[in-house]
Amino acid sequence: AQTVTQSQPEMSVQEAETVTLSCTYDTSESDYYLFWYKQPPSRQMILVIRQEAYKQQNATENRFSVNFQKAAKSFSLKISDSQLGDAAMYFCAYRSAGAGNMLTFGGGTRLMVKP
Amino acid sequence: NAGVTQTPKFRILKIGQSMTLQCTQDMNHNYMYWYRQDPGMGLKLIYYSVGAGITDKGEVPNGYNVSRSTTEDFPLRLELAAPSQTSVYFCASSYSINLSEAFFGQGTRLTVV
Repeated sequence: AQTVTQSQPEMSVQEAETVTLSCTYDTSESDYYLFWYKQPPSRQMILVIRQEAYKQQNATENRFSVNFQKAAKSFSLKISDSQLGDAAMYFCAYRSAGAGNMLTFGGGTRLMVKP
Repeated sequence: NAGVTQTPKFRILKIGQSMTLQCTQDMNHNYMYWYRQDPGMGLKLIYYSVGAGITDKGEVPNGYNVSRSTTEDFPLRLELAAPSQTSVYFCASSYSINLSEAFFGQGTRLTVV
């Protein structure tokens, strides 16, 4: 079974600065997908960014980018120019490319943004 | 475009009571899921469905039942509520093709006392 680990329960960043959230995963599969989800106080789960394991290029979405290290099974999220609205829980998630499309989530990192 | 809709948003149950959490999606997604999120934890999969008439257990299915009679609806049933089922429950759906994101409902906060 796959596992996803987020080793930082809480992180804080100054507004306009850059922060990196860590995620490692364990799998024996070669084809899979990785995601970062944001959960603000409203509880809505919002997709931030996705990465296909077969792609070497790191995904980027505006201020959000990932550092995907397949051999190390690491998938960190970098948030540049942090904004107050970035404050939320962030969950790393893994999904096999096989049947079911089930997501396995990490335990989450609470990000605080200081004005 | 409603997406994934869950009802109710909040509920308090007494031990031993039963209830059904409703979930409906209007995106014609084949895959639907129920997750629970305990305080400070990630989401754990309870049950999932790959299409109408097909359901399967996830990581933490005990104490729950599901049905999928239509593509749109995927209700989650708690038969004998226990305090361990106090959690926030999320329904989600996705397309059956690869790389699609999962769309989540807004969650149901359930307290069993």
